[in-house]
Amino acid sequence: QKEVEQNSGPLSVPEGAIASLNCTYSDRGSQSFFWYRQYSGKSPELIMFIYSNGDKEDGRFTAQLNKASQYVSLLIRDSQPSDSATYLCAVNVGDNDMRFGAGTRLTVKP
Amino acid sequence: DAGVIQSPRHEVTEMGQEVTLRCKPISGHDYLFWYRQTMMRGLELLIYFNNNVPIDDSGMPEDRFSAKMPNASFSTLKIQPSEPRDSAVYFCASGPWADTQYFGPGTRLTVL
Repeated sequence: QKEVEQNSGPLSVPEGAIASLNCTYSDRGSQSFFWYRQYSGKSPELIMFIYSNGDKEDGRFTAQLNKASQYVSLLIRDSQPSDSATYLCAVNVGDNDMRFGAGTRLTVKP
Repeated sequence: DAGVIQSPRHEVTEMGQEVTLRCKPISGHDYLFWYRQTMMRGLELLIYFNNNVPIDDSGMPEDRFSAKMPNASFSTLKIQPSEPRDSAVYFCASGPWADTQYFGPGTRLTVL
């Protein structure tokens, strides 16, 4: 079983819609969770992190964490074509060991 | 700050040759990470350093891979001898703490 799983997509949404990206993880002891955005041919860029159950909002981005369900998600409101990228979920499984999901490719169509 | 600097950006070499990838972390960051990204395996942590000391190298695939951090502003990842299956993008990342990582632009390695 992979430690961090994401739907590889592609996920396609129209401009202005809400994009919902999901991630599940296997290590119940994991404490910190991250979302990275990676444009094609570029390096990953940290956009959100969340440590506590519930929602965390930053501009158009909202991270949601449910530790009981071992589930973390990223919502992008008012999606823009510039949001088109691969979104990587990362989980710190302990001792600073960061495990990444395979990523979900998002396309926002004008 | 210029961000994490990696060199070379592209490297093409022949099987059996030694490859050295270089990284200059962001000044003041205590953590440095080396990752490898491929289509098949995604992004994998190879090794990380804290204050120039290697902490976890369990991700290093084989003895052919080695990493050093002789000082706070420089790290190398060496592959000797290189093999075609080592072809990947290698990222260096640094952070003020382990959870916050800033990635460099990566080195695209092709081993023929």
